[in-house]
Amino acid sequence: KQEVTQIPAALSVPEGENLVLNCSFTDSAIYNLQWFRQDPGKGLTSLLLIQSSQREQTSGRLNASLDKSSGRSTLYIAASQPGDSATYLCAQPGANSKLTFGKGITLSVRP
Amino acid sequence: DAGITQSPRHKVTETGTPVTLRCHQTENHRYMYWYRQDPGHGLRLIHYSYGVKDTDKGEVSDGYSVSRSKTEDFLLTLESATSSQTSVYFCATLDGTKNIQYFGAGTRLSVL
Repeated sequence: KQEVTQIPAALSVPEGENLVLNCSFTDSAIYNLQWFRQDPGKGLTSLLLIQSSQREQTSGRLNASLDKSSGRSTLYIAASQPGDSATYLCAQPGANSKLTFGKGITLSVRP
Repeated sequence: DAGITQSPRHKVTETGTPVTLRCHQTENHRYMYWYRQDPGHGLRLIHYSYGVKDTDKGEVSDGYSVSRSKTEDFLLTLESATSSQTSVYFCATLDGTKNIQYFGAGTRLSVL
């Protein structure tokens, strides 16, 4: 059974800090990994999808990496802003692209 | 944004009543999914569909059924709602070209 783990569950940082959010997965046969953002009471917004053939994927201040051998993905947020405060979830697809989610990391960026 | 609309957005119902949640998409995506999100459990797959009239179970399918009579609509039915089904329900579709799943805004269901 696929398992996806995100630790810690919550993180608080001052504005301007560069930070890394971690995601661990058990299924080494991963073919891609998707990062989402969820604001309180809202749905999920897709941030980045990184294919297993890629090592990194970038969108603005966000950079995601994927290391199949270690079973880890990281989401790097540069120069964090209060508007980045949200819950960040990673998810690994299985057969028929059914997603297995981590429980998320709730990020708070203090002004 | 994949043009996903969930209805209703909020619902309060009583134990034992049937409830149907609707997911409507405008992108003609083949795959559609229903997830529930609960504190301490995160998001878990209930059922999914890989085409019209083609559906299958997910991790937490007990007490739920689904139907897909048209590409654009995927219905989730709670046959007889229980308090354990109080949750936030999300519908998602898969853009098969990009392999990205897009999510609706969710339905908050309370079973009293």
